[in-house]
Amino acid sequence: DTGVSQNPRHKITKRGQNVTFRCDPISEHNRLYWYRQTLGQGPEFLTYFQNEAQLEKSRLLSDRFSAERPKGSFSTLEIQRTEQGDSAMYLCASSLRVSSTDTQYFGPGTRLTVL
Amino acid sequence: DQQVKQNSPSLSVQEGRISILNCDYTNSMFDYFLWYKKYPAEGPTFLISISSIKDKNEDGRFTVFLNKSAKHLSLHIVPSQPGDSAVYFCAATVGTASKLTFGTGTRLQVTL
Repeated sequence: DTGVSQNPRHKITKRGQNVTFRCDPISEHNRLYWYRQTLGQGPEFLTYFQNEAQLEKSRLLSDRFSAERPKGSFSTLEIQRTEQGDSAMYLCASSLRVSSTDTQYFGPGTRLTVL
Repeated sequence: DQQVKQNSPSLSVQEGRISILNCDYTNSMFDYFLWYKKYPAEGPTFLISISSIKDKNEDGRFTVFLNKSAKHLSLHIVPSQPGDSAVYFCAATVGTASKLTFGTGTRLQVTL
């Protein structure tokens, strides 16, 4: 297994268009997370899944954002009616929850540019 | 409200010397701390972690120290190597909650 993968790596879109990103976690990892990182900042939590259940969503995740993880495997993050403020790096991470703490392993990210 | 702070945006260290990266936090509920390294155009790579029940954790050239009373942790890299040049993020989490709260990062440059 080569780690967390994300597609596409780069996405350029026009304001108002919808975009969808995909994340494939490390095999058998039961938790999957989405973060967003803007220039000069650390990653900010958006949402996470345990298996197929979405357990928490940040208030950063407006109604235009939706995430799914059907069958507890890969996940998609969709942004509807994109705005220029959505331009950022979208990071996916996965972990195997076996104790009260777990270590998250990140993918390479999808860089979104909204024109 | 920045709950995890990395007050030094950049640090330059000579090869072979010690690099010390610092991190402060304000949320006393945080009980698990991690350091990640990030190269340009890549996702963060996990380096080392520490639970609040410990004050030190060591892994090869990397050691993390935790001072709970001061709400401060630090990452020591000895000896520093040119390949260590990257942005380092401190992150924290609360108990069974898994979302990570990150600092803003410190850019480390290791010079020859």
